[in-house]
Amino acid sequence: GAGVSQSPSNKVTEKGKDVELRCDPISGHTALYWYRQSLGQGLEFLIYFQGNSAPDKSGLPSDRFSAERTGGSVSTLTIQRTQQEDSAVYLCASGKPAGEKLFFGSGTQLSVL
Amino acid sequence: AQSVSQHNHHVILSEAASLELGCNYSYGGTVNLFWYVQYPGQHLQLLLKYFSGDPLVKGIKGFEAEFIKSKFSFNLRKPSVQWSDTAEYFCASFGNTGKLIFGQGTTLQVKP
Repeated sequence: GAGVSQSPSNKVTEKGKDVELRCDPISGHTALYWYRQSLGQGLEFLIYFQGNSAPDKSGLPSDRFSAERTGGSVSTLTIQRTQQEDSAVYLCASGKPAGEKLFFGSGTQLSVL
Repeated sequence: AQSVSQHNHHVILSEAASLELGCNYSYGGTVNLFWYVQYPGQHLQLLLKYFSGDPLVKGIKGFEAEFIKSKFSFNLRKPSVQWSDTAEYFCASFGNTGKLIFGQGTTLQVKP
């Protein structure tokens, strides 16, 4: 596609359930980033991939959060046993190498009831 | 640790006023600096970037930013704002690990 695609655009779940968020980066982009955006909190870095490997996972808030990337393309962010404080917009971005301009998706709005 | 700090969280201006948004970064090595903007209901998009060379960089829509190494600053400026500049603005920096860190963001409201 022409841009970074994220799905679903909205997800409502019950506390304690697992959720999977998907990101399709722009074709050919080797770097892929996940961020969390909460009101008044700015963009919180979660994890970034260079190809299929994740050089920096330091932003993952807890062991309930994990992410993978396969084939140097699609990435999935998984949140296990969701909590209400996980409610936020989860943004994905991709770029050619790390260090260059990033292109952002429109995000997944996650609401945990 | 690498960090980015934006001083102004919410700015309200009238049209034609001048704008300056502050940004300071903590990383002391080689930095790549960015300003991104998020218009209401739209994706984040790049306004401008600094990698090296002329410390005064110009971006889209009349924005510019000045890199001052001695002050670890990269402030965003525009001489005359328009109502359409109403948006949230984020400063960001890459450190040597490839991690892009954003500041807390500044919400700009321009009154017509």
